[in-house]
Amino acid sequence: AQSVTQLGSHVSVSEGALVLLRCNYSSSVPPYLFWYVQYPNQGLQLLLKYTTGATLVKGINGFEAEFKKSETSFHLTKPSAHMSDAAEYFCAVSLSSGAGSYQLTFGKGTKLSVIP
Amino acid sequence: DTGVSQNPRHKITKRGQNVTFRCDPISEHNRLYWYRQTLGQGPEFLTYFQNEAQLEKSRLLSDRFSAERPKGSFSTLEIQRTEQGDSAMYLCASSLASTHTDTQYFGPGTRLTVL
Repeated sequence: AQSVTQLGSHVSVSEGALVLLRCNYSSSVPPYLFWYVQYPNQGLQLLLKYTTGATLVKGINGFEAEFKKSETSFHLTKPSAHMSDAAEYFCAVSLSSGAGSYQLTFGKGTKLSVIP
Repeated sequence: DTGVSQNPRHKITKRGQNVTFRCDPISEHNRLYWYRQTLGQGPEFLTYFQNEAQLEKSRLLSDRFSAERPKGSFSTLEIQRTEQGDSAMYLCASSLASTHTDTQYFGPGTRLTVL
């Protein structure tokens, strides 16, 4: 069974500072990995994904993540935080179930606050 | 491409009542997923459709829950005899089964409150 752990349910950074949101996964086979962002009372928006190939993945809004197989990690970073980055971020893994489903298993989320 | 839409956005009901939610996926997306998200948690998988066939159901999907996707287009999720524990955000996602990479696009969700 696969699982996702997001370290830190709440992270605060100053505007312009580095954003680092941590995600570790557990999977018996190499999974597909995703980061989604959720604004209050909205659905989830895809930030970026890792499937195969280059381990450093660039996404929207200046975010990027690096897949490290040896550490089973997929941490999300952004060099300079903006006020509009304040939201909740979810890391997720996906594996084929054999029935054709690629259901996502999510972490509990990390709420990012940006201090002006 | 108008994205995934869900209706209603909010539903307040009394315990014991039945409710039905609708999801309209991105056109041409043949995979459709339902998830449930409770406060402070990440979404949890409920069920999966490929075209009109419901191929997988989570253990979270009790007998009071039923989902359909007639004609492989929109989908409905019905909860019968609602309980307070059903209060949650219900999210729908769709994807295109063209490659092994299944990128799911989410709708805005339906927030259910059971009084």
